[in-house]
Amino acid sequence: QSALTQPASVSGSPGQSITISCTGTSSDVGGYNYVSWYQQYPGKAPKLMIYDVTNRPSGVSNRFSGSKSGNTASVTISGLQAEDEADYYCSSYRDSSPHVVFGGGTKLTVL
Amino acid sequence: QVQLVESGGGVVQPGRSLTLSCAGSGFTFSSYGMHWVRQAPGKGLEWVAVIWYDGSNKYYADSVKGRFTISRDNSKNTLYLQMYSLRAEDTAVYYCAKDGTEGARPHFDSWGQGTLVTVSS
Repeated sequence: QSALTQPASVSGSPGQSITISCTGTSSDVGGYNYVSWYQQYPGKAPKLMIYDVTNRPSGVSNRFSGSKSGNTASVTISGLQAEDEADYYCSSYRDSSPHVVFGGGTKLTVL
Repeated sequence: QVQLVESGGGVVQPGRSLTLSCAGSGFTFSSYGMHWVRQAPGKGLEWVAVIWYDGSNKYYADSVKGRFTISRDNSKNTLYLQMYSLRAEDTAVYYCAKDGTEGARPHFDSWGQGTLVTVSS
């Protein structure tokens, strides 16, 4: 059982927007703005998409945006494209052991 | 550009030890925290350990505490993970990941290609 809770799967059609949620506690997601999101293709290393809740690294499409409300963080992908089909993981700093926690991952299917 | 290259993975018997290495280049290695993250076959990501930029702080996942040791040699731009008393459940691809900060506000902005560790008799 993962420390952060994500839906196992989400889907959407090209051009649509989807949102993936990530629920934790006040010791991690709710207490700190250190939530990050990663995209992973099968057999590949993860890639940072969002950090510190809302920040996008250089080179990441502005179709990706992050937000947080209470103990739940979210990533929204707008203008869905076929290349967005991948697994997505959230992560957060936690103020007790373990130092860092991940969500269980969400498989995004582009219909 | 940032490059992280892991090595040292392989097949090891339960109870034995193994040391992983991660060579960093393309950035000032001594300025950033470094992590190990693993992924069991068909499973999600699991954070393993972090070492701050100067080695002053180290933290571990409960599942490896007391069995794994993270260390770094900033003069060689290299990160290590010493793994002892290995168990079948330690079987995973182990990724070396660079923190975007010194270690206090963790996120992983660069990843290695991963090295597979298989614990089996």
